[in-house]
Amino acid sequence: KQEVTQIPAALSVPEGENLVLNCSFTDSAIYNLQWFRQDPGKGLTSLLLIQSSQREQTSGRLNASLDKSSGRSTLYIAASQPGDSATYLCAVRNSGYALNFGKGTSLLVTP
Amino acid sequence: DAGVIQSPRHEVTEMGQEVTLRCKPISGHDYLFWYRQTMMRGLELLIYFNNNVPIDDSGMPEDRFSAKMPNASFSTLKIQPSEPRDSAVYFCASSLFIQENQPQHFGDGTRLSIL
Repeated sequence: KQEVTQIPAALSVPEGENLVLNCSFTDSAIYNLQWFRQDPGKGLTSLLLIQSSQREQTSGRLNASLDKSSGRSTLYIAASQPGDSATYLCAVRNSGYALNFGKGTSLLVTP
Repeated sequence: DAGVIQSPRHEVTEMGQEVTLRCKPISGHDYLFWYRQTMMRGLELLIYFNNNVPIDDSGMPEDRFSAKMPNASFSTLKIQPSEPRDSAVYFCASSLFIQENQPQHFGDGTRLSIL
């Protein structure tokens, strides 16, 4: 069974810092990996999706990388802003259609 | 375009009552997923449909839970009878095909409290 772990569970940084969120998974036979953002009381917003054949994806200040062989993905946020404060979830899809989620990293960016 | 629409947003009811959660997927999406989120277990898939047909319900916790998709634009998740341990946020998601580059799009969820 795929296990997805996210470290750290919580992170607080001052505005303007660059930061890295980590995601690890136990089964490297994945179809894709998706990073989501969840604001309090809201649903999940898809940020980036990396296919199994890709190494990274970029969107604005966000960059996600994938290393299947080591079972790791990172989400890099450049020049963090208070509006980036949210919970970030990593989800892995294997041969089935279910997404296996990590517990998330709760990010607080202070002004 | 409208996203995935879930109703109600909040539901508070007493133990033993029937609860029905509703979902309207994004138009044209042919996969629909129901997830449950709790503090202890995080997000877990309950069941998913392809072209209105249930494909995998192995995540449904027990017989008290049932899900239907009578047409391409509507699905329900029903709990009968409800128990306090069913309290959670229930999310519906939809996807266009199941290929490597298709993300799942989530609704805002239904926050369910069973007293």
